[in-house]
Amino acid sequence: AQSVTQPDARVTVSEGASLQLRCKYSYSGTPYLFWYVQYPRQGLQLLLKYYSGDPVVQGVNGFEAEFSKSNSSFHLRKASVHWSDSAVYFCVLSRMGYAQGLTFGLGTRVSVFP
Amino acid sequence: NTKITQSPRYLILGRANKSLECEQHLGHNAMYWYKQSAEKPPELMFLYNLKQLIRNETVPSRFIPECPDSSKLLLHISAVDPEDSAVYFCASSQSTISNERLFFGHGTKLSVL
Repeated sequence: AQSVTQPDARVTVSEGASLQLRCKYSYSGTPYLFWYVQYPRQGLQLLLKYYSGDPVVQGVNGFEAEFSKSNSSFHLRKASVHWSDSAVYFCVLSRMGYAQGLTFGLGTRVSVFP
Repeated sequence: NTKITQSPRYLILGRANKSLECEQHLGHNAMYWYKQSAEKPPELMFLYNLKQLIRNETVPSRFIPECPDSSKLLLHISAVDPEDSAVYFCASSQSTISNERLFFGHGTKLSVL
């Protein structure tokens, strides 16, 4: 069975500070990994995704994530956050060959304060 | 995101019957219904590909999906239960290949009295 763990339910940061959101996955095969963001009262939007190649992937709005096979991790980072980054961030795993068998983490709620 | 529209945005029900509607203007082949309860991630309810139902998760029989054409998705709900209070998201993707991104609508917030 596969699983995604986001150990931090809530993170609070000051505007302009850096942000790192942790994600650990468990899956015996090769995973597709995504980060989605959910702004208040909206649907989820894709930030970035990874399957192979350079373990550091760039996403929208200055976000990047780093894949580590040895650590089974896919952490999300941003160098300098803005108040508009306040949202819930979901780490998501997809299994190859299984029609959209998405496994979601529980999400991390990020609050950015001025 | 106006490329996937859902209606209504808010729905308050007693034990009535109602339908949620979704339309995507992206030319996608796959459409989904997700349920998101408070403080939880979305959970897949149904997946259609090319108008065929290919994923039907463990969902109470009072929820009946319908895909009248490749751009539209309906969710018929009868005799709702308080546990059905949640936000219901429609989503779409070009295909069901595992690395395809999903596009989500704004959701319909269902409140059961």
